[in-house]
Amino acid sequence: GAVVSQHPSWVICKSGTSVKIECRSLDFQATTMFWYRQFPKQSLMLMATSNEGSKATYEQGVEKDKFLINHASLTLSTLTVTSAHPEDSSFYICSARTGQPQHFGDGTRLSIL
Amino acid sequence: AQSVAQPEDQVNVAEGNPLTVKCTYSVSGNPYLFWYVQYPNRGLQFLLKYITGDNLVKGSYGFEAEFNKSQTSFHLKKPSALVSDSALYFCAVRDMGNTPLVFGKGTRLSVIA
Repeated sequence: GAVVSQHPSWVICKSGTSVKIECRSLDFQATTMFWYRQFPKQSLMLMATSNEGSKATYEQGVEKDKFLINHASLTLSTLTVTSAHPEDSSFYICSARTGQPQHFGDGTRLSIL
Repeated sequence: AQSVAQPEDQVNVAEGNPLTVKCTYSVSGNPYLFWYVQYPNRGLQFLLKYITGDNLVKGSYGFEAEFNKSQTSFHLKKPSALVSDSALYFCAVRDMGNTPLVFGKGTRLSVIA
């Protein structure tokens, strides 16, 4: 089946640090990739949608200068949390799609001290 | 706008008994419907989908779901629950356009031995 690899799985860093999360579709080309954020015991909140080679579309309330998304190829998208602060601590999940269904990475738990 | 309702935060069932996790949806036009499962600190695993065709959809790990257009429902079912089925289950919907999935809030399933 289709596999989405997300790296790293766990990050702990100091406040003010920028953190990059990678999302790769390993055995398929993803025309569209999505980034979600999940708070404890809550559902997934869509942050942004990105198509290869074009700018990401951010959901309302998501700061595009804070959460930089690059979709450089059909198999790679990155999310950079710039100047992270404790309130950015969360579980971030990427997803990739070409046709149906959408496939998800295993998530990145980000903890900002 | 699309939406998904999962009316139960928690479902408890004894091992070996049938289980049902409820989902209702709202979407313009014909829906694409999905069920995903999430284990602790992991991403979402795809279980099954309904796009078109037979209303009863069979998926992974013995799960199935029935699409009911008149009731706008897509309940997840399994004839005999296993302790290993204990996890968080998400129902999701999208329309026929290139739109992101919209998730329900999730239902935590606990199967008791």
